[in-house]
Amino acid sequence: EVQVVESGGGLVQPGGSLRLSCAASGFTFSHYWMSWVRQAPGRGLEWVANIKQDGSEKNYVGSVKGRFTISRDNAKSSLYLQMSSLRAEDTAIYYCYCGATDYWGQGTLVTVSS
Amino acid sequence: DIQMTQSPSSLSASVGDRVTITCRASQSISSNLNWYQQKPGKAPKLLIYAASSLQSGVPSRFSGSGSGTDFTLTISSLQPEDFVTYYCQQNYRTPLTFGGGTKVEIK
Repeated sequence: EVQVVESGGGLVQPGGSLRLSCAASGFTFSHYWMSWVRQAPGRGLEWVANIKQDGSEKNYVGSVKGRFTISRDNAKSSLYLQMSSLRAEDTAIYYCYCGATDYWGQGTLVTVSS
Repeated sequence: DIQMTQSPSSLSASVGDRVTITCRASQSISSNLNWYQQKPGKAPKLLIYAASSLQSGVPSRFSGSGSGTDFTLTISSLQPEDFVTYYCQQNYRTPLTFGGGTKVEIK
């Protein structure tokens, strides 16, 4: 059974940092590009970042470049998103997903507020 | 960045109706277009990939067409479970942008 489980969300103050994790199982994680997508409350979907199978290529949406870092550990079948200099507009549910197979997690909520 | 403009942003329809949602890209994306369905409180689900290919397990009442800059998602006969939100997404070039979404409501 395929499982994709995000963790690490929570309440953080503006300017703070947070690290999201995504644990995958039931498929060959190392074979696929992986991505993060976010959804602000009541809003649409926004693609955030993706990473190549071996971690050698990473891409980001402009609004998070220089603040967020995507990474992966294929030995642990895990994806990460290190977020720093967080802003109120980063408040959202963050989803981990594999586009090629349409495997998604349930999302983890990040709230940036003082 | 490639902008994806989806229309309408919402529509009202009845069970059994045929509905069409359109998505326009700000530049040609060939057939690199996905359609997703999202139910409240849930992660999106892929319906159509490569503009017109039906994802495994998705009912045949869903279909997609188009290439270049103009795309459509058609639901041939709306079912009660289809009254949710739909998004297009281009995967031609990063950042992989989504359309603004179309909420399908019961008339």
